[in-house]
Amino acid sequence: GQSLEQPSEVTAVEGAIVQINCTYQTSGFYGLSWYQQHDGGAPTFLSYNALDGLEETGRFSSFLSRSDSYGYLLLQELQMKDSASYFCDVEGLTGGGNKLTFGTGTQLKVEL
Amino acid sequence: DVKVTQSSRYLVKRTGEKVFLECVQDMDHENMFWYRQDPGLGLRLIYFSYDVKMKEKGDIPEGYSVSREKKERFSLILESASTNQTSMYLCASSYNPGGIQYFGAGTRLSVL
Repeated sequence: GQSLEQPSEVTAVEGAIVQINCTYQTSGFYGLSWYQQHDGGAPTFLSYNALDGLEETGRFSSFLSRSDSYGYLLLQELQMKDSASYFCDVEGLTGGGNKLTFGTGTQLKVEL
Repeated sequence: DVKVTQSSRYLVKRTGEKVFLECVQDMDHENMFWYRQDPGLGLRLIYFSYDVKMKEKGDIPEGYSVSREKKERFSLILESASTNQTSMYLCASSYNPGGIQYFGAGTRLSVL
């Protein structure tokens, strides 16, 4: 089967840098995605890594190490509006086709 | 912009009722998904569909069924609602099976 682990909660101050880790177990790995969800809102896509290394999109970066089955989301210059839940999502191959599994989410609290 | 529309934002039903949750997407996506989201448990996949009239069980299909008669519409059915099905239900669609998922705003279902 597939499983993911990420911390349940992270707290940081405005302007700081925070890293949210995600470790996974899956067969036939295709890629790791990150989604952001504000309270009461729908998850929205942030980034996708299929290959090892760092992908940068503005203040957000995502890293993948396939050999370590590990990835992280890096948020720089934190702003209050970054307070949200962040989910990692792994695409792997199980049974008859691609299977997607979301982590349980990391609640990020940004404080003044 | 991709739009995924869920028919109801809030729904209150009684135990034993048959419940239909409707989801429509306007981007001609092949793939559609139903999740439920509960505190501390993240997003759990109930069912997904890769094509019209095609369905696959996710991680927690018990107590649910789905219908995909048209490409743009994916319905989640609770044949006999129970209190443990009180949850937030999220629909999503994607172009590729493991591609970016676009989520609806969610339906908060309360079963009394």
